[in-house]
Amino acid sequence: SYELTQPPSVSVSPGQTATITCAGHNLGNKYVCWYQQKPGQSPVLVIYQDNVRPSGIPERFSASNSGNTATLTISGTQAMDEADYYCQVWDSSAIIFGGGTKLTVL
Amino acid sequence: EVQLVESGGGLVQPGGSLRLSCVASGFTLSSYSMNWVRQAPGKGLEWVSYISSSTNTIYYADSVKGRFTISRDNAKNSLYLQMNSLRAEDTAMYYCVREVVGATDYFDFWGQGTVVTVSS
Repeated sequence: SYELTQPPSVSVSPGQTATITCAGHNLGNKYVCWYQQKPGQSPVLVIYQDNVRPSGIPERFSASNSGNTATLTISGTQAMDEADYYCQVWDSSAIIFGGGTKLTVL
Repeated sequence: EVQLVESGGGLVQPGGSLRLSCVASGFTLSSYSMNWVRQAPGKGLEWVSYISSSTNTIYYADSVKGRFTISRDNAKNSLYLQMNSLRAEDTAMYYCVREVVGATDYFDFWGQGTVVTVSS
């Protein structure tokens, strides 16, 4: 079955750029979504179709997808961006989530 | 305002059954595919099941195939998950999730979830 691999944790200083990766076989041939989940809250869509931000998501969130790796980039990271981030794709007749990355802003 | 309100969770013994419900408001349920996604305590997201808007297409994760059944009643704006032969590893928060289907598919709205605990 298809697998998505994310780093368990990423740390970034406030105002700096955070980069979260998601790896999968020929991932560039699939559309990737990214979700943000803060403690005690339901996930929120932050990117769909590889690099499209839904309405209401700040411009500092951007993403790309090529080859075997998708990347979520948060520019000018703020304390409020501290959360778990999950990548997700459709593969055949199943929906696959990455294991999640805990972003710490310190 | 879009709302998805899950209910039906609780404590159940291994081997038991539960039926989760999700009531949608603020949009027309029949226009959307829907999913159940779960999250075990302290763990990541795990997709459970998908049902298309017309119920023509249904998918299950291998971990629940043969034990769980997804269904919907568009007239009642409701989504369901019948869970049988429950196991300890089914313990999780269960989310009802709306999916946009088109050129690309994505989960655009999540409910607050209902907790299922399988324990003796």
